[in-house]
Amino acid sequence: QVTLKESGPALVKPTQTLTLTCTFSGFSLSTSGMRVSWIRQPPGKALEWLAHIDWDDDKFYSTSLKTRLTISKGTSKNQVVLTMTNMDPVDTATYYCARIRGYGDYNWFDPWGQGTLVTVSS
Amino acid sequence: DIQMTQSPSSLSASVGDRVTITCRASQSISSYLNWYQQRPGKAPKLLIYAASSLQSGVPSRFSGSGSGTDFTLTISSLQPEDFATYYCQQSYSIPLVTFGPGTKVDIK
Repeated sequence: QVTLKESGPALVKPTQTLTLTCTFSGFSLSTSGMRVSWIRQPPGKALEWLAHIDWDDDKFYSTSLKTRLTISKGTSKNQVVLTMTNMDPVDTATYYCARIRGYGDYNWFDPWGQGTLVTVSS
Repeated sequence: DIQMTQSPSSLSASVGDRVTITCRASQSISSYLNWYQQRPGKAPKLLIYAASSLQSGVPSRFSGSGSGTDFTLTISSLQPEDFATYYCQQSYSIPLVTFGPGTKVDIK
């Protein structure tokens, strides 16, 4: 069974750097074709894709946020880390990690972690 | 980036109703379209991938159709557990994927 779980601070101050960890089980990010993404959702708003990392360590970022984001494999083999610099109150959101699955050129997010709410406030 | 729109933004329906949600892409995305259900306070859950393929374990009352720029999610007979928000998502331009703004289905 594949599961993912996000962890990190619930509250950060403006201008600080946020570090979130996605801890997963049931698959290996070293296996060819495996990919993990981060997606966020401000309260009451829609989903926004942030970044993803491939099994071969290729990394991709949202066009609008790429200067602030870094995605990496964690020190543990079953972790992916997202850092976001210069946090602002508009970054208040639930942050999800999800595995990317697919076949051929078709891809989708499944499953998702439970999400972690991050509030940016002084 | 490819922009996704959904209509309606919300709808009220009764148990047993047939519900249709539309998703439109700003350019042709072939069949690279997925649908998710999000219940309040929960993470999104995959319903449909590749426009019309039902995810394992998802009830058959859910179906998807469309290609190019116009897509539809249909719930043939709405059940109490289906009251949720539904999102479409294009994967044509992966990794730069985008989601629609969502359609909230609530009880009439």
